[in-house]
Amino acid sequence: DAGVIQSPRHEVTEMGQEVTLRCKPISGHDYLFWYRQTMMRGLELLIYFNNNVPIDDSGMPEDRFSAKMPNASFSTLKIQPSEPRDSAVYFCASSPLAGSYNEQFFGPGTRLTVL
Amino acid sequence: AQSVSQHNHHVILSEAASLELGCNYSYGGTVNLFWYVQYPGQHLQLLLKYFSGDPLVKGIKGFEAEFIKSKFSFNLRKPSVQWSDTAEYFCAVNERGGYNKLIFGAGTRLAVHP
Repeated sequence: DAGVIQSPRHEVTEMGQEVTLRCKPISGHDYLFWYRQTMMRGLELLIYFNNNVPIDDSGMPEDRFSAKMPNASFSTLKIQPSEPRDSAVYFCASSPLAGSYNEQFFGPGTRLTVL
Repeated sequence: AQSVSQHNHHVILSEAASLELGCNYSYGGTVNLFWYVQYPGQHLQLLLKYFSGDPLVKGIKGFEAEFIKSKFSFNLRKPSVQWSDTAEYFCAVNERGGYNKLIFGAGTRLAVHP
């Protein structure tokens, strides 16, 4: 299995531009999570899905952020418009069904820089 | 609400020194506990996990952790660290029987000098 796949690995954009981050979870995993990691705030859970349905988006910082999971093998995290304070590493993780006994498998992350 | 505290933000050790990283959580129910490691420039990987049974859990690369329920603690240990253990370590907890939502601690950066 290729593991969790994220693209792009690095993104540099200018303030005000739309940014779309992509994630392909491990096949057969029913949970998908989006995290943001910064030096100041550490690792924050933004949103997570179960069977493509958003379960908890309380970590999404503001309306500029949105996430979708149109099918079991693909999710996007969109920032529109982007701001310099959005610069961070964004991780996607997936986990198989079976309650809370399973570890989350993390992707390599997307390093976002907003100028 | 659940929370996880890692008291050591930065730890510097020499090779062969022993390591103990503290982790305390606050939650009244039954939890599962995890330690993840993030090597420089890489993604998070699972070191070890505790669900039930023996409170002393052994993980990869010689790491172990002990769950002490009365202290709400899950400290990570390694008897002799190596330079390659230089990384950031995250303690995490989730509610047993609930969704797989993990609550992470702030992380501890470990630097091991040769």
